Amino acid sequence: GENVEQHPSTLSVQEGDSAVIKCTYSDSASNYFPWYKQELGKRPQLIIDIRSNVGEKKDQRIAVTLNKTAKHFSLHITETQPEDSAVYFCAASIPGNQFYFGTGTSLTVIP
Amino acid sequence: NAGVTQTPKFRVLKTGQSMTLLCAQDMNHEYMYWYRQDPGMGLRLIHYSVGEGTTAKGEVPDGYNVSRLKKQNFLLGLESAAPSQTSVYFCASRPQGISVETQYFGPGTRLLVL
Repeated sequence: GENVEQHPSTLSVQEGDSAVIKCTYSDSASNYFPWYKQELGKRPQLIIDIRSNVGEKKDQRIAVTLNKTAKHFSLHITETQPEDSAVYFCAASIPGNQFYFGTGTSLTVIP
Repeated sequence: NAGVTQTPKFRVLKTGQSMTLLCAQDMNHEYMYWYRQDPGMGLRLIHYSVGEGTTAKGEVPDGYNVSRLKKQNFLLGLESAAPSQTSVYFCASRPQGISVETQYFGPGTRLLVL
């Protein structure tokens, strides 16, 4: 089955700096890559996603890039704010229903 | 439109006791999932369903059973709870479509097995 690896497991940045989280996947059949943000004690919520026919997608301060050849995708957060502090999960989905999640990155934005 | 709801929010069990967690969605989604979340291990799929009356095993199915008798409900059962099943359980659902769509998560159930 698919194997998704996520790095780093923890990340601390100064407010206003950028944060980058990287994920790799193993199955070239994966074609959908969502990113979820989970605040303490709450449910994961989708913040951005990308499909395999697109190389980059941006939504305000958040962007995701996908390199299908290398089988990796990254989340970029610019101009970080304290409210960006949370755990972020990447995932990969193969046509056929299952999502495979990374182990999460705990992001702390220091004011 | 409540989205995905889970019952109960929190439960304490003694080893060997049984219980059922209920997930309900009002979005007419075909697919439903049960995950457990443990520190440092992300979300691991327990069981899932691709439609009413169907279920399938995920990554960590041992010790759990599921049923999908109604399209809107997905039940997760623990027949004989063990301390290793202490975790936060999330249900999720998503629509069926030509292209893959994201999952929508419930608020979670915290389970403590003593």
